[in-house]
Amino acid sequence: GAVVSQHPSRVICKSGTSVKIECRSLDFQATTMFWYRQFPKKSLMLMATSNEGSKATYEQGVEKDKFLINHASLTLSTLTVTSAHPEDSSFYICSAMTAGGGLYSEQFFGPGTRLTVL
Amino acid sequence: AQRVTQPEKLLSVFKGAPVELKCNYSYSGSPELFWYVQYSRQRLQLLLRHISRESIKGFTADLNKGETSFHLKKPFAQEEDSAMYYCALSGRYNAGGTSYGKLTFGQGTILTVHP
Repeated sequence: GAVVSQHPSRVICKSGTSVKIECRSLDFQATTMFWYRQFPKKSLMLMATSNEGSKATYEQGVEKDKFLINHASLTLSTLTVTSAHPEDSSFYICSAMTAGGGLYSEQFFGPGTRLTVL
Repeated sequence: AQRVTQPEKLLSVFKGAPVELKCNYSYSGSPELFWYVQYSRQRLQLLLRHISRESIKGFTADLNKGETSFHLKKPFAQEEDSAMYYCALSGRYNAGGTSYGKLTFGQGTILTVHP
């Protein structure tokens, strides 16, 4: 099946710094990628939809200026957490959707990135 | 607004027993429903989707529009079925494409199958 990677898998940073997380579709092209956030023992919450070549679409309540998303190519989307604070500590998961639409598309998930802000 | 509810956070059964993980949804349009599974230390992966009507690893799920449910069932649970299960909903594909693919997840159910 299709593979999605995330880098880094784990990052610890100081409060006030920015952190970039990469999401790559390794063996397929993804015009659409999604970024989720998962709190401990909680469900996944969709943060934004990342579309190649256009601006990301953010869900209600997600700060655009804090969580910068760039989908520069058909295989790479990046999430930058700017001026990170301890409350941004979380597990961030991306997914990439195969092309085709409807019955023929499927989302594949990355392994996640654990962000800890000190 | 779309919502997915999994009423059970934890579910324990013995090997060989039937198992049913409940999922109810709320959506104004015509939804597509999924079950995702996350085994220990592994990434989230698709188990099945209602539109394909497949049975994966012995699991089935039927979309009941009247009850707005999409319960996951398996007649004989196995120890390797122990995992976190998420029910998810997506709006159907439309020409605008603005909502397609966006998944709303339930809270998840941790299934433990005892030997």
